[in-house]
Amino acid sequence: QKEVEQNSGPLSVPEGAIASLNCTYSDRGSQSFFWYRQYSGKSPELIMFIYSNGDKEDGRFTAQLNKASQYVSLLIRDSQPSDSATYLCALLAGNMLTFGGGTRLMVKP
Amino acid sequence: EAQVTQNPRYLITVTGKKLTVTCSQNMNHEYMSWYRQDPGLGLRQIYYSMNVEVTDKGDVPEGYKVSRKEKRNFPLILESPSPNQTSLYFCASSSKRNEQFFGPGTRLTVL
Repeated sequence: QKEVEQNSGPLSVPEGAIASLNCTYSDRGSQSFFWYRQYSGKSPELIMFIYSNGDKEDGRFTAQLNKASQYVSLLIRDSQPSDSATYLCALLAGNMLTFGGGTRLMVKP
Repeated sequence: EAQVTQNPRYLITVTGKKLTVTCSQNMNHEYMSWYRQDPGLGLRQIYYSMNVEVTDKGDVPEGYKVSRKEKRNFPLILESPSPNQTSLYFCASSSKRNEQFFGPGTRLTVL
């Protein structure tokens, strides 16, 4: 059973701060890792994906992957109230995509 | 507009009454999948399809059926729904498995 663990939160940060979201996984065969954002009542939307160890930056978002320690994280710089949502970590192993339970982020003005 | 559509968006039914939730995508994607989302359990994959006539079980396939007769459509069938299948269902598609586009969701209640 592939497991993906996330702290359910809520994680509360002030506007303009860096939000750090973390995810650990148990399947060492996982190939690719994804971060999705889901607003309440809406469908998930992809923010970033990462395959290789290290950092990947896209605008205010940075994904970090450490396969040896089996964790992946998402940093959101200059957090905005519009970033308030649930962030889902997912991993791909073979043909199956497995999601974590999500971390609820609240950015307070 | 590129999109994944699902119908119906909301459905209330009774135990044992067969139902089908349709999913259609207009992006010519090979890969399609169904998920259910429950509080505290996150998104769990029910079935997925790599291409026409190719389907496989995900993490929670019991009580569900799927078919992939056309590339654009991937219906989810509940032959005999039960209350534990009350959930929020999402269909998704992708051309490569690294970016899945999700449909708007179907909220199903089985009484």
